[in-house]
Amino acid sequence: GQQLNQSPQSMFIQEGEDVSMNCTSSSIFNTWLWYKQEPGEGPVLLIALYKAGELTSNGRLTAQFGITRKDSFLNISASIPSDVGIYFCAGGGGTASKLTFGTGTRLQVTL
Amino acid sequence: GAVVSQHPSRVICKSGTSVKIECRSLDFQATTMFWYRQFPKQSLMLMATSNEGSKATYEQGVEKDKFLINHASLTLSTLTVTSAHPEDSSFYICSASQGAENTEAFFGQGTRLTVV
Repeated sequence: GQQLNQSPQSMFIQEGEDVSMNCTSSSIFNTWLWYKQEPGEGPVLLIALYKAGELTSNGRLTAQFGITRKDSFLNISASIPSDVGIYFCAGGGGTASKLTFGTGTRLQVTL
Repeated sequence: GAVVSQHPSRVICKSGTSVKIECRSLDFQATTMFWYRQFPKQSLMLMATSNEGSKATYEQGVEKDKFLINHASLTLSTLTVTSAHPEDSSFYICSASQGAENTEAFFGQGTRLTVV
């Protein structure tokens, strides 16, 4: 099936650093979602974006819905060890449509 | 956020047997549920869309006779892996949506299936 291009594939950063990851698509989406997945668990929703150009924050996390509807980015400020995990973007067409997932960004935070 | 519960979290079964995985929305009614499969270090791949009261819609390449989906109520969908083989071993995850426009999907905890 289709997957969104997500980069970087992995990141190794020091505690306190800021993180930025993005997701691009050749198709337009009406919804962009960002999830975090820890080993052996299901993805947990972090941020949901519904309008092109929308910028939304959730604590240290900030995400934006690209104006072209074909991309989104997620920023994490002042990273901490518990930020470790795999972050997935997902694009949706609206009205409980199925989601298309990105390839994931594996984040490692060192002390 | 809404709570989706998946059971069991882990299951080991013998080759040739069938395994049923349950997905429940605990605090909302889910008109649509989705079943995903995830291999190690890979992203989630959608297997099928389950709609309450109607037949599931399977993605290309997913055998509907092997992966039976039942969505008998607005809070429960089940995935049955029939005649399981070692290559069916994987992490299976469900998600549920309330069905309204612009509704995000909430995921269950996942089920680790090992076929021996």
